[in-house]
Amino acid sequence: GESVGLHLPTLSVQEGDNSIINCAYSNSASDYFIWYKQESGKGPQFIIDIRSNMDKRQGQRVTVLLNKTVKHLSLQIAATQPGDSAVYFCAESKAGTALIFGKGTTLSVSS
Amino acid sequence: DVKVTQSSRYLVKRTGEKVFLECVQDMDHENMFWYRQDPGLGLRLIYFSYDVKMKEKGDIPEGYSVSREKKERFSLILESASTNQTSMYLCASSKVWETQYFGPGTRLLVL
Repeated sequence: GESVGLHLPTLSVQEGDNSIINCAYSNSASDYFIWYKQESGKGPQFIIDIRSNMDKRQGQRVTVLLNKTVKHLSLQIAATQPGDSAVYFCAESKAGTALIFGKGTTLSVSS
Repeated sequence: DVKVTQSSRYLVKRTGEKVFLECVQDMDHENMFWYRQDPGLGLRLIYFSYDVKMKEKGDIPEGYSVSREKKERFSLILESASTNQTSMYLCASSKVWETQYFGPGTRLLVL
């Protein structure tokens, strides 16, 4: 069945390092992918999205990479800061359907 | 900026009570969603609505109902609250079937 998952439930990094959070998806028909950040006690916040006709998209300190061949999505955070500590979710959808969310990776940033 | 608000941040109810959770969005979005979020289970879709008075069941609709009388407002109703409905409830809205914008969440405790 369809599923969106993340490779690691937790990731610990040092402040200033680059972080890479991975996500595998199973539905090759998905054409839209999105990353959310959820801080403790808050709702998920949109970070960045990408469509299937792209391989890479950059935002402010974040980059999303899409590898359709192996159905893999990653979120790269440059110069990770303590404020980046949160749970990160990927989600996918195909045209006309609701998002399907992964379970999340908890990113911990130590000073 | 898109704003999604939820009527309560924290709620404590007793088993058997009828519970109303309200969600309002101010961006004229067609789609609105209710999720619950539990540790280890991620975000699970309860119900969604793609238009006024329209609703569709999500993955876990049992024990819940919804109401959408106005475009900006989507209510989740627990007809008879049970302890297994203790959870974080998240509302979201979207213009199309892609980027969803989330509210801050309601943490419900059923005693």
